[in-house]
Amino acid sequence: DTAVSQTPKYLVTQMGNDKSIKCEQNLGHDTMYWYKQDSKKFLKIMFSYNNKELIINETVPNRFSPKSPDKAHLNLHINSLELGDSAVYFCASSQAAGKSYEQYFGPGTRLTVT
Amino acid sequence: AQSVAQPEDQVNVAEGNPLTVKCTYSVSGNPYLFWYVQYPNRGLQFLLKYITGDNLVKGSYGFEAEFNKSQTSFHLKKPSALVSDSALYFCAVRVPGSGGYNKLIFGAGTRLAVHP
Repeated sequence: DTAVSQTPKYLVTQMGNDKSIKCEQNLGHDTMYWYKQDSKKFLKIMFSYNNKELIINETVPNRFSPKSPDKAHLNLHINSLELGDSAVYFCASSQAAGKSYEQYFGPGTRLTVT
Repeated sequence: AQSVAQPEDQVNVAEGNPLTVKCTYSVSGNPYLFWYVQYPNRGLQFLLKYITGDNLVKGSYGFEAEFNKSQTSFHLKKPSALVSDSALYFCAVRVPGSGGYNKLIFGAGTRLAVHP
C-alpha cells in the first residue's frame, strides 16, 4: 500500500557510469517531481511532469534525463555520472500541477558516485 | 528574489515544553506556505499548509502554524513536544516556475531535538 515508491533505495557506482532510478505512485495523482537533496540536506526541484508532459525543467545538466511512460511512473536516467551527483534523489507526486496541493514524497534513493 | 528562510539550524527543547520552528518568506503576491517533516533516512512528510483564511493552521501530529502577513512569517508550533518529534523540519513556499506552472522552494531545514 506504499504511496510513492522508488527503486533502488541505494545506488553505488563509479564515475562515468550510466544509471537509472525508478519511481511509481499509486495515488492517482497527475503530477510527479524529482528533487535532489545534497549532503547539507538542501532540497531542490529538478523536474516535474504533469500527465506525462514535462512542465518544469530546472537548471540541471543534460546528463539527467527524466522519462514518464505514464502518469503513475517517472524515471530518472543519469549519464556519465560525476562525483557531484552523489546525493539523495526524491520522487514526489501531487494531485495536480499549478495548484496548492501538497506533495507526497518517496523514501529516496541514495546515490553514491566513487 | 523569492525565497524562504529558516534562521535556526537547530532547535533544542525539553519534552513537554512548547516548541517553535521559525520560517520567513519573501514572495510576490499571496503566499502559499507548507511545512514538511523528514525523519532519518525517510522522505518528507506533509504536515500542514496555509493557502488562505484563518491565520492559525492545524496539521498532523498536533502541529500548528501561524501565518503572519506583516512579519512575512509562518512559524511552526506545538504546545507540548515529544521525543518522537525529533526530526528535520522544512518550510516551503510556492513560487512561479517555468511554463506558467508553480513549484515549491524549500528552506534549508531546521533540526528539532527534543530531550527527555
